[in-house]
Amino acid sequence: DTEVTQTPKHLVMGMTNKKSLKCEQHMGHRAMYWYKQKAKKPPELMFVYSYEKLSINESVPSRFSPECPNSSLLNLHLHALQPEDSALYLCASSQRLGPPSNTEAFFGQGTRLTVV
Amino acid sequence: AQSVSQHNHHVILSEAASLELGCNYSYGGTVNLFWYVQYPGQHLQLLLKYFSGDPLVKGIKGFEAEFIKSKFSFNLRKPSVQWSDTAEYFCAVTNQGGKLIFGQGTELSVKP
Repeated sequence: DTEVTQTPKHLVMGMTNKKSLKCEQHMGHRAMYWYKQKAKKPPELMFVYSYEKLSINESVPSRFSPECPNSSLLNLHLHALQPEDSALYLCASSQRLGPPSNTEAFFGQGTRLTVV
Repeated sequence: AQSVSQHNHHVILSEAASLELGCNYSYGGTVNLFWYVQYPGQHLQLLLKYFSGDPLVKGIKGFEAEFIKSKFSFNLRKPSVQWSDTAEYFCAVTNQGGKLIFGQGTELSVKP
């Protein structure tokens, strides 16, 4: 099983709502990532977890709050978002952070988020 | 600043033409290198990867890439493209900090 599963696939939320994006993998990977991708743009790194601890935060606004409850799950809690936060949110996982670990990242299908 | 650069924003080819997409990175030290493909409406898929060893790596669907350390380059090639290769192609690099950073992407359009 080389699958990263993200739910929901689509989400529409108001600017005052609180919602969560979920990501799950069962490959035994210990590094998990959140990316944001706008149309016709590359994925932009938001957060990286390594062994369930936040390893990298790319200066993401606090209205995005990541959580890694266990080694298989990664959540992204959303609160008071702006319309410009509308994008495809991608989750990825890899065996470990690398290099020197030789590890590739597997991506989920993404959650297409629309903030109205 | 550390970055990944892809030289071509949009490439248009006819079927059976050869393809080469450029990628340069600015990280020092040990890196892992990747090419990902994103077909319309689909998720990112790994085409090929380079960790160490033979600098010429072969991936899926007939793609290959060559790592030239002295030029900080990792160019993607395919001898003969097909209409089904129409997609967005991303070069990506992981450095020792653990960040997987993507280039701006190249949109490939193959005319039948």
